[in-house]
Amino acid sequence: DQQVKQNSPSLSVQEGRISILNCDYTNSMFDYFLWYKKYPAEGPTFLISISSIKDKNEDGRFTVFLNKSAKHLSLHIVPSQPGDSAVYFCAAAKTSYDKVIFGPGTSLSVIP
Amino acid sequence: KAGVTQTPRYLIKTRGQQVTLSCSPISGHRSVSWYQQTPGQGLQFLFEYFSETQRNKGNFPGRFSGRQFSNSRSEMNVSTLELGDSALYLCASSLSLQGGRETQYFGPGTRLLVL
Repeated sequence: DQQVKQNSPSLSVQEGRISILNCDYTNSMFDYFLWYKKYPAEGPTFLISISSIKDKNEDGRFTVFLNKSAKHLSLHIVPSQPGDSAVYFCAAAKTSYDKVIFGPGTSLSVIP
Repeated sequence: KAGVTQTPRYLIKTRGQQVTLSCSPISGHRSVSWYQQTPGQGLQFLFEYFSETQRNKGNFPGRFSGRQFSNSRSEMNVSTLELGDSALYLCASSLSLQGGRETQYFGPGTRLLVL
């Protein structure tokens, strides 16, 4: 029973274009969402987060959008750069002290 | 500040054996979480320790256990290894002043291969 889903295992985008990574969740109790990026042979690193009281959070080239009614969030990367090529994990948590549930990840390839 | 360190980085075991993995969190971090990463499954939460107590637990069998020491270092143990336990085991630490809302910092992982 996967509570956090990333239905696209992989995505290829041209350098300079927008990358959109999608994430769906099933548990309406989730109120905090995070994106992590992972390079091969390294642990995931935190990218950006959003609380359920917001519908958008921006940090430089990265923007996360949250649609609570659809239980959907997306990560936009504009413009995409070759260094963005990595696996991106969407994650969610219910309360401040609850475990963080990760999705299966989407592998992004940015083609020069 | 040194990052999260995990030892060993690679491990090969045979079915039926047991294994202990170690994680040293960032200095000052009190929470340590463990995850199993396998292809297609993403990061599966194993457990979280805070101040030497297990605070959260995932849906793994009792063969998976862990502990945390007074210096926040953590170990996880897997007994009676099965082929399906082959995975990357990741440890993450956080200050845990605000609980799960804080950023987790991950170590590079321990790659376990069970033959």
